[in-house]
Amino acid sequence: NAGVTQTPKFQVLKTGQSMTLQCAQDMNHNSMYWYRQDPGMGLRLIYYSASEGTTDKGEVPNGYNVSRLNKREFSLRLESAAPSQTSVYFCAGGDTPYQETQYFGPGTRLLVL
Amino acid sequence: AQKVTQAQTEISVVEKEDVTLDCVYETRDTTYYLFWYKQPPSGELVFLIRRNSFDEQNEISGRYSWNFQKSTSSFNFTITASQVVDSAVYFCALSEAWSGGSNYKLTFGKGTLLTVNP
Repeated sequence: NAGVTQTPKFQVLKTGQSMTLQCAQDMNHNSMYWYRQDPGMGLRLIYYSASEGTTDKGEVPNGYNVSRLNKREFSLRLESAAPSQTSVYFCAGGDTPYQETQYFGPGTRLLVL
Repeated sequence: AQKVTQAQTEISVVEKEDVTLDCVYETRDTTYYLFWYKQPPSGELVFLIRRNSFDEQNEISGRYSWNFQKSTSSFNFTITASQVVDSAVYFCALSEAWSGGSNYKLTFGKGTLLTVNP
């Protein structure tokens, strides 16, 4: 039981390049989330998926797209990376319903040059 | 709108001291959840506790205790007899219902960096 896994752990991109961050969970969570963490800012929600087949914008969605491929997998795509997207990205899965404790993956550290 | 304030950006203590991390929140909801997460230097986010808005009973887990007071909208976290391994960033978070109450959205405070010195 791995919980929430993320790949890659670390990535360096050049401005304008694209990439997809992968997230998978084996905890049977209906809800999944993508956050970014920047120094002094806490965690901010980028996108979330309340259930398979649905996605919604969070607080900072610009420059990102997501895909809820199935119940287990929720990917985050940067179509044209910018230095402002340098951050640590966390994926999380949530309990269902109501008692929404979110369990986090180990994070992906992204550097955009 | 909801807001979580962790006014203490950094705290430094000596091992075995007690330390309290403050968290003040704002919400218009009557049903909500409060959380504490720990982020050690290794970077992962570790869930510590969840408390719902209808349960104001304080909780103790080993050296950790939490004081929830709706009257002051606070959910403070105390570590008794701190240890070096407690050094981490601690986040308080608030979730409120959305989508008709079937899911919750989590808003984090900016975190408090706790350093426990030997």
